[in-house]
Amino acid sequence: GAVVSQHPSRVICKSGTSVKIECRSLDFQATTMFWYRQFPKQSLMLMATSNEGSKATYEQGVEKDKFLINHASLTLSTLTVTSAHPEDSSFYICSARRSLSGGYTDTQYFGPGTRLTVL
Amino acid sequence: GNSVTQMEGPVTLSEEAFLTINCTYTATGYPSLFWYVQYPGEGLQLLLKATKADDKGSNKGFEATYRKETTSFHLEKGSVQVSDSAVYFCALVSSGSARQLTFGSGTQLTVLP
Repeated sequence: GAVVSQHPSRVICKSGTSVKIECRSLDFQATTMFWYRQFPKQSLMLMATSNEGSKATYEQGVEKDKFLINHASLTLSTLTVTSAHPEDSSFYICSARRSLSGGYTDTQYFGPGTRLTVL
Repeated sequence: GNSVTQMEGPVTLSEEAFLTINCTYTATGYPSLFWYVQYPGEGLQLLLKATKADDKGSNKGFEATYRKETTSFHLEKGSVQVSDSAVYFCALVSSGSARQLTFGSGTQLTVLP
């Protein structure tokens, strides 16, 4: 299988605090991980592409100083929402693309998501 | 640029009815095509995929055929169950897009007993 976990599944925090979300590929190595944001009843919006050992690539309109991404190993990427505000409340989903010898597949495997609520 | 257009929902069916969710795409090169399913409060699960023209992806009774001539990848199931109630996303990865997924807007399916 190809299992991706996220932690925490839910987090409630006060405005101004920082929240870290972890994304792990449990049974495969992932050179590339992706972070998405999803608003209620909407599709996924790609926030950034995270490559192991290098800086993340952010989509237009996503503040890189607010959404810090670290991809320190082939199985772990983290998203830190800094100085969170109520408008950051959302469902955050990560995905991992399996690394294969000599290349990679196009298939992304998704985590179960993290529901962030900022009070 | 790349884009995916999905049939707008919500779709409500009775159990054992036939399901079709339309999906068409615009992309550079030869994209890989996917259907993902999202159950309430969860992340996305890969349902099926096809990587080249005329390929048919299938899983759990769902099928979709990669039609290059009509740039379509319609999802079908012959007999839906209540447990199929979820949001379905059509998506593609194109060779010219840094291998990122481009999603459709999603289609909410509700199956009534």
